[in-house]
Amino acid sequence: KAGVTQTPRYLIKTRGQQVTLSCSPISGHRSVSWYQQTPGQGLQFLFEYFSETQRNKGNFPGRFSGRQFSNSRSEMNVSTLELGDSALYLCASARTSGTYEQYFGPGTRLTVT
Amino acid sequence: AQSVTQPDIHITVSEGASLELRCNYSYGATPYLFWYVQSPGQGLQLLLKYFSGDTLVQGIKGFEAEFKRSQSSFNLRKPSVHWSDAAEYFCAVGPVGGNEKLTFGTGTRLTIIP
Repeated sequence: KAGVTQTPRYLIKTRGQQVTLSCSPISGHRSVSWYQQTPGQGLQFLFEYFSETQRNKGNFPGRFSGRQFSNSRSEMNVSTLELGDSALYLCASARTSGTYEQYFGPGTRLTVT
Repeated sequence: AQSVTQPDIHITVSEGASLELRCNYSYGATPYLFWYVQSPGQGLQLLLKYFSGDTLVQGIKGFEAEFKRSQSSFNLRKPSVHWSDAAEYFCAVGPVGGNEKLTFGTGTRLTIIP
């Protein structure tokens, strides 16, 4: 069974631009969570989607948004990029919401210059 | 609010030696507890989890962890480390009740010397 895939793996953007990251969960998984990982703040929860609905949201500004499609694939968008948005963005899928058996993708490394 | 503390930022052990990584949590009740491992350039892999029952849990790659309620700890152990165990290890806590939000510790980087 294929694991969680994230595209692109690496991205370089300029301040003020926007970016969209994609995550394809494991087949049959309907929950997708997004995390931001930085050396200073560690791993921080962004949001979780289940059945195309956002179920939980972390403490991030409104510039960070996401969505989930009917096939459970998810995208997250960051608008008006700031230097501090440089991070590894990790996606995790789970069979259903309410379970912590999460499987992580390899991440997208975003660099904002 | 729940929180997780991993007091050791970096640990170095010799190959073949035993390993213990510390994790303390703060939560009003018994939470769900996890250990993840992250190799360079990779995502996180679940090593083991504790939900309830036996306080000693076995995981993959020969790891085990013991939940001690009185100490609010969930330390990760391995009797004999291999060079391939060099990675970053994260302890995480999740509230009972269906909330997907996991809170992670800051991680412990493990270096293995031959």
